[in-house]
Amino acid sequence: AQSVTQLDSQVPVFEEAPVELRCNYSSSVSVYLFWYVQYPNQGLQLLLKYLSGSTLVKGINGFEAEFNKSQTSFHLRKPSVHISDTAEYFCAVSVKGGGNKLTFGTGTQLKVEL
Amino acid sequence: DAGITQSPRHKVTETGTPVTLRCHQTENHRYMYWYRQDPGHGLRLIHYSYGVKDTDKGEVSDGYSVSRSKTEDFLLTLESATSSQTSVYFCAISTPGGTSGSGETQYFGPGTRLLVL
Repeated sequence: AQSVTQLDSQVPVFEEAPVELRCNYSSSVSVYLFWYVQYPNQGLQLLLKYLSGSTLVKGINGFEAEFNKSQTSFHLRKPSVHISDTAEYFCAVSVKGGGNKLTFGTGTQLKVEL
Repeated sequence: DAGITQSPRHKVTETGTPVTLRCHQTENHRYMYWYRQDPGHGLRLIHYSYGVKDTDKGEVSDGYSVSRSKTEDFLLTLESATSSQTSVYFCAISTPGGTSGSGETQYFGPGTRLLVL
């Protein structure tokens, strides 16, 4: 079975500062990797995903993530955050050939302060 | 929300009563999913469907059943609600892609907040 670990439950950061949200996964088979964002009282929205190819993936709203197979990580980064980035961020994996079922991490609450 | 609606959006019920949540899509996506979201647990898969009348269990399926009689609707039923089923329930949809049928984006509905007293 696969699992996802998000090491930080909360990350406070000042506006215009860079941020990194960490995600590590465990799986005995090949996986696809996703980052979703959830704004208050809303459903989840895809930020970006890694399927294959270049290990640096760019997503919406200026976010990017890098797949590191040797460290089994998929950390999310943004060089300069805005107040509107305040939300909860979820890392998820799906197993190749596994029917597209997602296994989520426990989430990281990003709070951007002035 | 990619043409996904969930009903009701909020519900308060009592322990022991049956509850049915509905997910409706207008996108004609083949796959539909039910997740529950709880603090400290993220989202966990309850059941999913890969076609009409084709369903399978997720990691937290005990106490839940599902039905899909047509492409656009996926129902989640709590046969006898318990306080441990108080949660926010999300429906998601996707279309399988590629040869492995995986790696596709899931689109989420707005959620249903369920309180079991």
